[in-house]
Amino acid sequence: KQEVTQIPAALSVPEGENLVLNCSFTDSAIYNLQWFRQDPGKGLTSLLLIQSSQREQTSGRLNASLDKSSGRSTLYIAASQPGDSATYLCAVLGVYNFNKFYFGSGTKLNVKP
Amino acid sequence: GAGVSQTPSNKVTEKGKYVELRCDPISGHTALYWYRQSLGQGPEFLIYFQGTGAADDSGLPNDRFFAVRPEGSVSTLKIQRTERGDSAVYLCASSPGHQETQYFGPGTRLLVL
Repeated sequence: KQEVTQIPAALSVPEGENLVLNCSFTDSAIYNLQWFRQDPGKGLTSLLLIQSSQREQTSGRLNASLDKSSGRSTLYIAASQPGDSATYLCAVLGVYNFNKFYFGSGTKLNVKP
Repeated sequence: GAGVSQTPSNKVTEKGKYVELRCDPISGHTALYWYRQSLGQGPEFLIYFQGTGAADDSGLPNDRFFAVRPEGSVSTLKIQRTERGDSAVYLCASSPGHQETQYFGPGTRLLVL
């Protein structure tokens, strides 16, 4: 069974810092990997989706990379802002089962003004 | 356009009661997913619909849980004889097709007393 781990579980940084969130997965046979943002009491918002054939995706201040062979993905946030405070979740879709995403437990980010 | 909506947003019930949770996907999305999220954890897959049929229900924890999507649009998750351990946020997501980006609703917070 695919296991997805996110480190750290929580992170607090001052505004303006660049930061990296980590995601690792045990089975490298993935179809794609997706990063989500979750605000308290809300659903999930998709940030970036990386297909297994891709190395990275960028959207604004966000950059996600994927190293399938080592089972790792990182989400880089540039020039962090207080509005970035949320929980960030990564999820992988396996090659052998297209029906379900396996989620990590998330990294809770707090950006201090 | 309208996103995924879920009703009710909160549900409090007593142990042993029956509950129904509703999901309205984005119009035209053929794939629909239910997840359960416990506090501090990532969402866990419950069931996936393609059209009207449940293509994968391997995540349903036991036979007290059942879901339907009779017309290929709205879906209802049904829980019989609720237990305190069923307390969680139940998330619904839809996507235009299989393996594509999933769009999540805000969730239903279920509390079983």
